[in-house]
Amino acid sequence: GAGVSQSPSNKVTEKGKDVELRCDPISGHTALYWYRQSLGQGLEFLIYFQGNSAPDKSGLPSDRFSAERTGGSVSTLTIQRTQQEDSAVYLCASSLANSGNTIYFGEGSWLTVV
Amino acid sequence: GESVGLHLPTLSVQEGDNSIINCAYSNSASDYFIWYKQESGKGPQFIIDIRSNMDKRQGQRVTVLLNKTVKHLSLQIAATQPGDSAVYFCAENRRGYQKVTFGTGTKLQVIP
Repeated sequence: GAGVSQSPSNKVTEKGKDVELRCDPISGHTALYWYRQSLGQGLEFLIYFQGNSAPDKSGLPSDRFSAERTGGSVSTLTIQRTQQEDSAVYLCASSLANSGNTIYFGEGSWLTVV
Repeated sequence: GESVGLHLPTLSVQEGDNSIINCAYSNSASDYFIWYKQESGKGPQFIIDIRSNMDKRQGQRVTVLLNKTVKHLSLQIAATQPGDSAVYFCAENRRGYQKVTFGTGTKLQVIP
């Protein structure tokens, strides 16, 4: 696609429910990243994929968070048993391999846990 | 901890003036330094980057300066326009690593 596409754009969920956030990267981009941004804050790295494997998942805050990527394309970030502190914007980005200095972001998925 | 950080959380500039946004970093292994612009409700957008072996790079109305001696990075925006109002993040990409680490951001407010 023309840009990184994320869905849903907005999600309100009840505490304790599971949520899935989807990212469709730019066509041909082999690297895919997930970041989290709390209100008025910077970007917190969560996980990075090269192809379907995740060489760096060091930023996942707890075992309630997981991510997968299939076919070297679409990625899903899953948050189980959501907590209020999970409320944030979840941003996906993609890049060509070995071009970590130029990554392209989607518009984000705004998650609110009530 | 964070390897990049910003000096000022908010910067107000008169329209037409030049803006300078500053950033400090701590890791000498950084290979690229990157500036992103994030408008309200949108994802960050790449502006310009500079490799660690350079000290200046110019783009359209923007200039990035790198001072490795004091580990300082700045973004200069010439003739600031209302459309420049956004949060600006500096970020770094370390040699051998694919991920990009972001600072906390500076909000630029352009006064008409």
